[in-house]
Amino acid sequence: DTGVSQDPRHKITKRGQNVTFRCDPISEHNRLYWYRQTLGQGPEFLTYFQNEAQLEKSRLLSDRFSAERPKGSFSTLEIQRTEQGDSAMYLCASSFPPNYLDQETQYFGPGTRLLVL
Amino acid sequence: AQSVTQLGSHVSVSEGALVLLRCNYSSSVPPYLFWYVQYPNQGLQLLLKYTTGATLVKGINGFEAEFKKSETSFHLTKPSAHMSDAAEYFCAVTQDAGNMLTFGGGTRLMVKP
Repeated sequence: DTGVSQDPRHKITKRGQNVTFRCDPISEHNRLYWYRQTLGQGPEFLTYFQNEAQLEKSRLLSDRFSAERPKGSFSTLEIQRTEQGDSAMYLCASSFPPNYLDQETQYFGPGTRLLVL
Repeated sequence: AQSVTQLGSHVSVSEGALVLLRCNYSSSVPPYLFWYVQYPNQGLQLLLKYTTGATLVKGINGFEAEFKKSETSFHLTKPSAHMSDAAEYFCAVTQDAGNMLTFGGGTRLMVKP
């Protein structure tokens, strides 16, 4: 039973470059979430998918950020024209569909740590 | 709107001592409440959760938490700290299963030998 996986685990980039992160949820989960965690803070919600539909986006998700989940399985989070303030840990989580036992629990991946120089 | 406050960004206890990490929340509807633990450079691992029913919930590694509606609290306890408990602990709330989680700022637990 594999958990949520994220790739890459670490990314160093120069300001202005584009980066893309991937998240593979637990196979039975149809809900997928992205969070951002800056140093010394709790995670903050970015966006949420149910199957391939993006149902909610935080105001933290500026125009430079885009997330996709084209086939309702894995998801990508792209940051265009990175800024130093984008340096953070990007966490992905997934959960069971509605009406499933344990539907309320989000299972987190190991995260992708981004450093923008 | 929902919010979570964790009192004490750093808590230090001796090995074998009681662990108490505080969490207060605000929510306009009965909440789902969670405690997660995060070890350095890792993701979050669920310790325990409250959904409905019994207000005292037990989790992994000997941790438990009690939902007190009148105090809007969900404090995390463990009778006897172990060195391996040293980590960052996050309290989180959601108003609906499947919705976004709102996290507190976290509490770093240090365990002294």
